[in-house]
Amino acid sequence: DAKTTQPTSMDCAEGRAANLPCNHSTISGNEYVYWYRQIHSQGPQYIIHGLKNNETNEMASLIITEDRKSSTLILPHATLRDTAVYYCIVEGSQGNLIFGKGTKLSVKP
Amino acid sequence: DGGITQSPKYLFRKEGQNVTLSCEQNLNHDAMYWYRQDPGQGLRLIYYSQIVNDFQKGDIAEGYSVSREKKESFPLTVTSAQKNPTAFYLCASSIDLPQGISYGYTFGSGTRLTVV
Repeated sequence: DAKTTQPTSMDCAEGRAANLPCNHSTISGNEYVYWYRQIHSQGPQYIIHGLKNNETNEMASLIITEDRKSSTLILPHATLRDTAVYYCIVEGSQGNLIFGKGTKLSVKP
Repeated sequence: DGGITQSPKYLFRKEGQNVTLSCEQNLNHDAMYWYRQDPGQGLRLIYYSQIVNDFQKGDIAEGYSVSREKKESFPLTVTSAQKNPTAFYLCASSIDLPQGISYGYTFGSGTRLTVV
Protein backbone atom coordinates (compact mmCIF):
# COMPACT_ATOMS: atom_id res chain seq x y z
CA ASP A 1 0.00 0.00 0.00
CA ALA A 2 1.20 3.48 -0.81
CA LYS A 3 2.32 5.36 2.27
CA THR A 4 2.70 9.03 3.05
CA THR A 5 5.32 10.98 4.98
CA GLN A 6 4.52 14.23 6.76
CA PRO A 7 6.36 16.42 9.26
CA THR A 8 5.30 15.71 12.82
CA SER A 9 4.46 19.32 13.63
CA MET A 10 4.40 22.83 12.19
CA ASP A 11 3.68 26.32 13.45
CA CYS A 12 2.00 29.12 11.53
CA ALA A 13 1.22 32.73 12.42
CA GLU A 14 -2.45 33.70 12.37
CA GLY A 15 -3.42 35.31 9.07
CA ARG A 16 -0.51 33.83 7.18
CA ALA A 17 -0.63 30.96 4.72
CA ALA A 18 -0.02 27.50 6.13
CA ASN A 19 1.76 25.17 3.71
CA LEU A 20 1.68 21.53 4.74
CA PRO A 21 3.89 19.17 2.73
CA CYS A 22 3.39 15.47 2.08
CA ASN A 23 5.50 12.87 0.32
CA HIS A 24 3.81 9.91 -1.37
CA SER A 25 6.55 8.59 -3.64
CA THR A 26 4.96 5.12 -4.06
CA ILE A 27 1.57 6.37 -5.17
CA SER A 28 0.01 4.56 -8.14
CA GLY A 29 -1.22 6.32 -11.24
CA ASN A 30 -4.91 6.09 -10.40
CA GLU A 31 -4.72 6.74 -6.65
CA TYR A 32 -6.11 9.96 -5.30
CA VAL A 33 -4.49 12.03 -2.57
CA TYR A 34 -6.87 13.03 0.23
CA TRP A 35 -6.44 15.57 3.01
CA TYR A 36 -8.36 15.45 6.26
CA ARG A 37 -7.98 17.29 9.53
CA GLN A 38 -8.88 16.31 13.06
CA ILE A 39 -9.57 18.75 15.82
CA HIS A 40 -9.00 17.29 19.25
CA SER A 41 -11.44 14.52 20.20
CA GLN A 42 -13.56 14.92 17.08
CA GLY A 43 -13.93 12.83 13.95
CA PRO A 44 -11.68 13.72 11.01
CA GLN A 45 -13.07 16.29 8.60
CA TYR A 46 -12.62 16.03 4.84
CA ILE A 47 -10.74 18.97 3.32
CA ILE A 48 -9.87 18.25 -0.29
CA HIS A 49 -8.66 15.56 -2.66
CA GLY A 50 -6.98 15.41 -6.06
CA LEU A 51 -5.43 13.15 -8.67
CA LYS A 52 -3.11 15.14 -10.94
CA ASN A 53 -4.33 18.69 -11.23
CA ASN A 54 -4.21 21.33 -8.57
CA GLU A 55 -7.50 21.71 -6.72
CA THR A 56 -9.10 24.52 -4.76
CA ASN A 57 -12.21 24.74 -2.65
CA GLU A 58 -13.54 27.03 0.04
CA MET A 59 -11.26 25.51 2.67
CA ALA A 60 -7.92 25.01 0.99
CA SER A 61 -5.81 24.49 -2.12
CA LEU A 62 -4.00 21.31 -3.06
CA ILE A 63 -0.86 21.45 -5.16
CA ILE A 64 0.31 18.12 -6.59
CA THR A 65 3.73 17.86 -8.26
CA GLU A 66 3.87 16.75 -11.85
CA ASP A 67 5.41 13.39 -10.92
CA ARG A 68 2.71 13.00 -8.24
CA LYS A 69 5.28 12.02 -5.63
CA SER A 70 4.44 14.88 -3.31
CA SER A 71 1.76 17.42 -2.59
CA THR A 72 1.18 20.52 -0.51
CA LEU A 73 -1.98 21.59 1.26
CA ILE A 74 -2.33 25.34 1.50
CA LEU A 75 -4.57 27.13 3.99
CA PRO A 76 -4.40 30.66 2.56
CA HIS A 77 -5.19 32.65 5.71
CA ALA A 78 -4.79 30.46 8.77
CA THR A 79 -6.93 31.18 11.83
CA LEU A 80 -6.69 29.86 15.37
CA ARG A 81 -9.54 27.46 14.54
CA ASP A 82 -7.31 25.78 11.95
CA THR A 83 -5.17 24.34 14.74
CA ALA A 84 -5.54 20.58 14.22
CA VAL A 85 -3.81 17.42 13.05
CA TYR A 86 -3.73 17.28 9.25
CA TYR A 87 -3.63 13.92 7.51
CA CYS A 88 -2.39 13.32 3.98
CA ILE A 89 -3.78 10.00 2.77
CA VAL A 90 -3.76 7.75 -0.25
CA GLU A 91 -5.96 4.73 -0.77
CA GLY A 92 -4.88 1.27 0.25
CA SER A 93 -4.97 -1.72 -2.09
CA GLN A 94 -8.46 -2.60 -0.88
CA GLY A 95 -9.85 0.87 -1.48
CA ASN A 96 -9.73 1.94 2.14
CA LEU A 97 -7.96 5.07 3.35
CA ILE A 98 -4.78 4.56 5.37
CA PHE A 99 -4.18 7.21 8.01
CA GLY A 100 -0.69 7.97 9.32
CA LYS A 101 0.10 10.18 12.31
CA GLY A 102 -0.35 13.40 10.38
CA THR A 103 1.06 16.88 10.98
CA LYS A 104 0.07 18.78 14.09
CA LEU A 105 -0.47 22.37 12.93
CA SER A 106 -0.42 25.04 15.61
CA VAL A 107 -1.68 28.46 14.53
CA LYS A 108 -0.36 31.13 16.87
CA PRO A 109 -1.66 34.68 17.41
CA ASP B 1 -29.48 16.83 7.40
CA GLY B 2 -27.62 13.73 6.27
CA GLY B 3 -24.86 12.45 8.45
CA ILE B 4 -23.32 9.66 10.44
CA THR B 5 -24.19 9.18 14.10
CA GLN B 6 -22.20 7.32 16.70
CA SER B 7 -23.48 6.47 20.14
CA PRO B 8 -22.80 6.64 22.94
CA LYS B 9 -20.22 9.43 23.06
CA TYR B 10 -18.62 7.96 26.19
CA LEU B 11 -18.73 4.33 27.28
CA PHE B 12 -17.32 2.59 30.30
CA ARG B 13 -16.78 -1.14 30.35
CA LYS B 14 -15.78 -3.52 33.07
CA GLU B 15 -13.08 -6.01 32.25
CA GLY B 16 -14.53 -9.18 30.77
CA GLN B 17 -17.64 -7.52 29.37
CA ASN B 18 -18.63 -7.23 25.74
CA VAL B 19 -19.88 -3.83 24.61
CA THR B 20 -21.45 -2.69 21.35
CA LEU B 21 -20.84 0.69 19.73
CA SER B 22 -23.52 2.00 17.43
CA CYS B 23 -22.96 3.62 14.03
CA GLU B 24 -25.84 4.79 11.83
CA GLN B 25 -25.73 6.77 8.58
CA ASN B 26 -28.48 8.29 6.45
CA LEU B 27 -26.22 9.28 3.57
CA ASN B 28 -27.12 6.22 1.48
CA HIS B 29 -23.43 5.30 1.45
CA ASP B 30 -22.53 1.75 0.51
CA ALA B 31 -19.29 1.39 2.45
CA MET B 32 -18.76 1.73 6.19
CA TYR B 33 -15.63 1.53 8.33
CA TRP B 34 -14.50 1.28 11.93
CA TYR B 35 -11.23 2.83 13.08
CA ARG B 36 -9.48 2.88 16.42
CA GLN B 37 -7.37 5.81 17.58
CA ASP B 38 -5.00 5.76 20.56
CA PRO B 39 -3.61 8.97 22.10
CA GLY B 40 -1.16 10.74 19.79
CA GLN B 41 -1.58 8.12 17.11
CA GLY B 42 -3.19 7.92 13.71
CA LEU B 43 -6.27 5.87 12.88
CA ARG B 44 -6.06 2.11 12.51
CA LEU B 45 -8.66 0.16 10.56
CA ILE B 46 -10.59 -2.50 12.49
CA TYR B 47 -13.27 -3.68 10.03
CA TYR B 48 -14.94 -2.40 6.91
CA SER B 49 -17.97 -3.31 4.86
CA GLN B 50 -18.59 -2.44 1.23
CA ILE B 51 -22.03 -3.99 0.96
CA VAL B 52 -24.82 -5.31 3.16
CA ASN B 53 -24.17 -8.74 4.70
CA ASP B 54 -20.48 -8.60 3.87
CA PHE B 55 -17.47 -7.25 5.77
CA GLN B 56 -13.71 -7.63 5.86
CA LYS B 57 -11.08 -7.51 8.57
CA GLY B 58 -8.81 -4.52 8.74
CA ASP B 59 -5.38 -4.31 10.33
CA ILE B 60 -6.43 -4.86 13.96
CA ALA B 61 -9.61 -6.98 13.88
CA GLU B 62 -8.69 -9.34 16.72
CA GLY B 63 -11.03 -8.97 19.68
CA TYR B 64 -13.69 -7.14 17.65
CA SER B 65 -16.76 -8.23 15.70
CA VAL B 66 -19.18 -6.44 13.38
CA SER B 67 -22.41 -7.02 11.49
CA ARG B 68 -23.97 -5.31 8.48
CA GLU B 69 -27.59 -6.38 8.32
CA LYS B 70 -28.80 -3.01 7.04
CA LYS B 71 -27.15 -0.49 4.75
CA GLU B 72 -27.57 2.24 7.34
CA SER B 73 -26.07 0.42 10.32
CA PHE B 74 -22.64 -1.01 11.14
CA PRO B 75 -22.36 -1.82 14.87
CA LEU B 76 -19.01 -2.76 16.40
CA THR B 77 -18.76 -5.17 19.34
CA VAL B 78 -15.68 -4.98 21.50
CA THR B 79 -15.35 -8.43 23.02
CA SER B 80 -13.61 -9.57 26.17
CA ALA B 81 -10.89 -10.99 23.93
CA GLN B 82 -9.70 -7.44 23.17
CA LYS B 83 -7.03 -7.02 25.82
CA ASN B 84 -6.56 -3.27 25.57
CA PRO B 85 -9.86 -1.77 24.44
CA THR B 86 -9.52 1.71 25.94
CA ALA B 87 -9.41 4.01 22.91
CA PHE B 88 -11.34 6.45 20.73
CA TYR B 89 -13.45 4.64 18.13
CA LEU B 90 -14.45 6.28 14.87
CA CYS B 91 -16.98 5.13 12.33
CA ALA B 92 -16.97 6.37 8.74
CA SER B 93 -18.89 5.85 5.54
CA SER B 94 -18.15 6.49 1.89
CA ILE B 95 -19.71 6.33 -1.55
CA ASP B 96 -17.99 4.94 -4.58
CA LEU B 97 -18.34 6.69 -7.89
CA PRO B 98 -19.13 4.60 -10.97
CA GLN B 99 -15.45 4.69 -11.86
CA GLY B 100 -14.74 2.86 -8.61
CA ILE B 101 -13.18 5.90 -7.00
CA SER B 102 -14.11 6.72 -3.47
CA TYR B 103 -15.19 10.28 -2.86
CA GLY B 104 -13.64 10.30 0.59
CA TYR B 105 -15.06 9.48 3.96
CA THR B 106 -17.62 11.07 6.24
CA PHE B 107 -16.78 10.44 9.88
CA GLY B 108 -18.91 10.28 12.96
CA SER B 109 -17.98 12.17 16.11
CA GLY B 110 -16.57 9.09 17.81
CA THR B 111 -17.08 6.99 20.93
CA ARG B 112 -14.54 7.10 23.73
CA LEU B 113 -14.39 3.69 25.41
CA THR B 114 -12.75 3.28 28.81
CA VAL B 115 -12.22 0.03 30.66
CA VAL B 116 -12.72 0.42 34.40
